[in-house]
Amino acid sequence: GEDVEQSLFLSVREGDSSVINCTYTDSSSTYLYWYKQEPGAGLQLLTYIFSNMDMKQDQRLTVLLNKKDKHLSLRIADTQTGDSAIYFCAEGGAGATNKLIFGTGTLLAVQP
Amino acid sequence: DVKVTQSSRYLVKRTGEKVFLECVQDMDHENMFWYRQDPGLGLRLIYFSYDVKMKEKGDIPEGYSVSREKKERFSLILESASTNQTSMYLCASRSGQGKAEAFFGQGTRLTVV
Repeated sequence: GEDVEQSLFLSVREGDSSVINCTYTDSSSTYLYWYKQEPGAGLQLLTYIFSNMDMKQDQRLTVLLNKKDKHLSLRIADTQTGDSAIYFCAEGGAGATNKLIFGTGTLLAVQP
Repeated sequence: DVKVTQSSRYLVKRTGEKVFLECVQDMDHENMFWYRQDPGLGLRLIYFSYDVKMKEKGDIPEGYSVSREKKERFSLILESASTNQTSMYLCASRSGQGKAEAFFGQGTRLTVV
C-alpha cells in the first residue's frame, strides 16, 4: 500500500533555514501537501504542489519535488520560533475515491 | 470558512464500552476521513468515505466501524473500546475535485481506562 516517511525531529536556530524531507511510494499521487500542526491544534494546510511541478515558492516556503526519486522537501527560510510545530507530508489523488495518506510527521524545534 | 466540528475534545471511556465519535462538516464535501494520531506514528487512516453510505477501509480499520447516513456527518464507532485505542482522533473532509485541500477538526483525545 501507500507509504509516506519523514524523519521524526529537526532542530534549527532562529534565522537559519529549515529543510524537512519526505519520501512517498505512490507514483500515481496527483497532489503532495505540507500540513502544520501547532500544539493542541488540528492540522492546517501550509502549501501543496501538483505532481507535474518541480518547485513551488510561497513567501518563506519552498517546496521541491523529485518525482523520479519520490522525494518531497519543504524549506522554510529565516525560521522563527513561531514555526515550531509538527510538519506532515501527505499524498493524495484528485479523484473522488482517492485517499489522503499522511507521513509520520517531523517535529521542528526552533532554538532562540 | 470551512468548518469541521468534532463533537468532543476529550473523552474518557471504560474498556468494553461502545464509543461514538461524531464529525460534522459544513462545506458539502464528498470525502470524509477518520485518522488516529500517535506519537512517532503520524496520522494513520482508519476509514474514509467518498459519498453517503460509501466507505472504504484505511490502514488500521480493526476494532472500528463507521457510519455516513448524511453527507455532512461521519461517525466513528468503537464497538468495544480497548486500552490500545487510547489516542487522538482526527476527522477531515475534502472536496472530491481539484487540489482538494483537506480540512481538519480540532481532534478528540480519547482515553480508555
